[in-house]
Amino acid sequence: EVQLVESGGGLVQPGGSLRLSCAASGFTFSDHYMDWVRQAPGKGLEWVGRTRDKPNSYTTEYAASVKGRFTVSREDSKNSLYLQMNSLRTEDTAVYYCARVGSSTYGRDHLDYWGQGTLVTVSS
Amino acid sequence: DIELTQSPSFLSASVGDRVTITCRASQGISSYLAWYQQKPGKAPKLLIYAASTLQNGVPSRFSGSGSGTQFTLTISSLQPEDFATYYCQQLHSYPRTFGQGTTVEIK
Repeated sequence: EVQLVESGGGLVQPGGSLRLSCAASGFTFSDHYMDWVRQAPGKGLEWVGRTRDKPNSYTTEYAASVKGRFTVSREDSKNSLYLQMNSLRTEDTAVYYCARVGSSTYGRDHLDYWGQGTLVTVSS
Repeated sequence: DIELTQSPSFLSASVGDRVTITCRASQGISSYLAWYQQKPGKAPKLLIYAASTLQNGVPSRFSGSGSGTQFTLTISSLQPEDFATYYCQQLHSYPRTFGQGTTVEIK
């Protein structure tokens, strides 16, 4: 059974940093691209970023709203995905989900499994 | 960025109704579109990918169609468990944007 479990959320002051983790199990983690998606309270889904797999040099993509502040990384030996968030702003307050990319084929990279999410609150 | 506009944003329907949600892209995205369902307090769930391919385990009352800039998600006979918010996502360009969501509530 595919499982994704996020951790590391919490309350942080504006300008602060936080690192989220996502522990994966039930599939060959190293074979899949992985995404982060967030959802502000009462709002819709916002795609945050992606890490590709080793054959694709672990390259990354980001939303403009987080580029330069957030870093997506992975550690295949630990079946883990990370989101390092720096220079946090109040508008970064959201539930953060990690999600498995079902296929690396262009245009077929839908998100087929999601974690339960972890809440990040940025407030003074 | 590619903007996705869903309509309506909110709809009220009864059990057994046929429901159609539209997702319009600001530029052509071929068939590179997915649909997700989200219930309150839960993670989104993949329903349809490649515009019209049903994800394994998703009931056949859900269907998707469209290509280019206009897409639809149809629920042929609404069931109590289908009351939720639905999102489209384009898989054509980065960033991988979502529509603003359509909430389906009980009439």
